[in-house]
Amino acid sequence: EPEVTQTPSHQVTQMGQEVILRCVPISNHLYFYWYRQILGQKVEFLVSFYNNEISEKSEIFDDQFSVERPDGSNFTLKIRSTKLEDSAMYFCASSGLRGKGNTIYFGEGSWLTVV
Amino acid sequence: DAKTTQPNSMESNEEEPVHLPCNHSTISGTDYIHWYRQLPSQGPEYVIHGLTSNVNNRMASLAIAEDRKSSTLILHRATLRDAAVYYCILRPNQGGKLIFGQGTELSVKP
Repeated sequence: EPEVTQTPSHQVTQMGQEVILRCVPISNHLYFYWYRQILGQKVEFLVSFYNNEISEKSEIFDDQFSVERPDGSNFTLKIRSTKLEDSAMYFCASSGLRGKGNTIYFGEGSWLTVV
Repeated sequence: DAKTTQPNSMESNEEEPVHLPCNHSTISGTDYIHWYRQLPSQGPEYVIHGLTSNVNNRMASLAIAEDRKSSTLILHRATLRDAAVYYCILRPNQGGKLIFGQGTELSVKP
C-alpha cells in the first residue's frame, strides 16, 4: 500500500535554530498537509497546500513556519527560530482528488525536540 | 467547523464487539462522517467514512443515525492491536483539512 514517508523520524535542536522537516507524499496526490501533536494533546492542523501554494492555514501557522515543494516529490515544513513550545510530533499527510470524502493519508511523524 | 462529541475512554474485551459512539448534532447536509484512529506513537490512520447510509469495510462498520446527528463505529471483534484513540470527524464535501477532537481512547483487555 502506498504511504507517506517523513524524515527525520526524530530531531533534537537548540532553541533559535532553523529546522526543516521533509515529507514524500503519495505519488499522484494533489493535496498536502502538515499537522502537529504536542505530547499528550490533540492533533492540530497547521497548513494545507495545493497547486504550489497554501490553500488554508491555522492560527498556529504564523510567520515562523513556511512550506514548499522544492521538487516534484518532496514537501517540506520549515520552522525558523525554533521555540521550546515547538517540541511536538509533526505529521505530514496527503490526499488525492478533493471532494467526496476523499481519504487523507498520514505519515509516521517527525518528533522534534527543542532544547 | 462542526463539532463532534465522543466519550473520553472505553474498555473492551478481546474478541468482543465494540461500539464507539459519536454525537454530531450540528452536522450539515454535505458533511461526511470520517473515523480515524491513532495507535501509540503512530500517525492517524483512516478507518472508514460515510454520508447517510451505513458502511462496511475490512476494518469496521459505520452505523449512521437516520437524522445524521450521531453515528457509531463498530469493531466486530476487538483485538489487542485495536487499542488506539479513535476520532470521529466531520468533513465538508469539498474535502480539505480534518479537525481532530480529543477522540475516544479504546483499551482492549485480553
